Amino acid sequence: GAGVSQTPSNKVTEKGKYVELRCDPISGHTALYWYRQSLGQGPEFLIYFQGTGAADDSGLPNDRFFAVRPEGSVSTLKIQRTERGDSAVYLCASSLGSNVRDRGYTFGSGTRLTVV
Amino acid sequence: GDSVTQMEGPVTLSEEAFLTINCTYTATGYPSLFWYVQYPGEGLQLLLKATKADDKGSNKGFEATYRKETTSFHLEKGSVQVSDSAVYFCALSLQGAQKLVFGQGTRLTINP
Repeated sequence: GAGVSQTPSNKVTEKGKYVELRCDPISGHTALYWYRQSLGQGPEFLIYFQGTGAADDSGLPNDRFFAVRPEGSVSTLKIQRTERGDSAVYLCASSLGSNVRDRGYTFGSGTRLTVV
Repeated sequence: GDSVTQMEGPVTLSEEAFLTINCTYTATGYPSLFWYVQYPGEGLQLLLKATKADDKGSNKGFEATYRKETTSFHLEKGSVQVSDSAVYFCALSLQGAQKLVFGQGTRLTINP
């Protein structure tokens, strides 16, 4: 597609529920990234995929968070047993290849998750 | 650890004023440095970048110079416009790593 698409744009869920957030990267972009942005803060890295595999998941805060990218395109971020502290904007980005140092990323508009 | 520190916001200026948003970093090795901008209701966009010491990134009238000796990458613009109102993020990328480390962001408001 023309840009990175994230759905839903807004999600309200109850504490303890399971949520899935979807990211559709730019067509042909092999690298995909998830970040989390809390209110008043900069984005924080969660996980990076190169193709289908997670090349770096060091930013996932705990085992309630999991992400997949089974066909090397669309990715889903999954959060189990949600907590109020998980409330944030979840950003997805993609890039052509893995040369982020020269190109940076293209970000989606994010999914605003609110846990009540 | 690796980190980016930006000047506290919010910053409010009048149209045509000179802008500086300070950014300093702490990193091992030689990072690439970036400025991203987030306009109201939109996603983060890459504004400019510099990949080595003394490089100057520029775009849309904004400039930033990679200063290794002061570990800084300050964002400047000579004459701001109302349309520059946004949140600006400084970020770094380490050698051999694909992730970006962001500062906390600086909200800029330009009044006509």
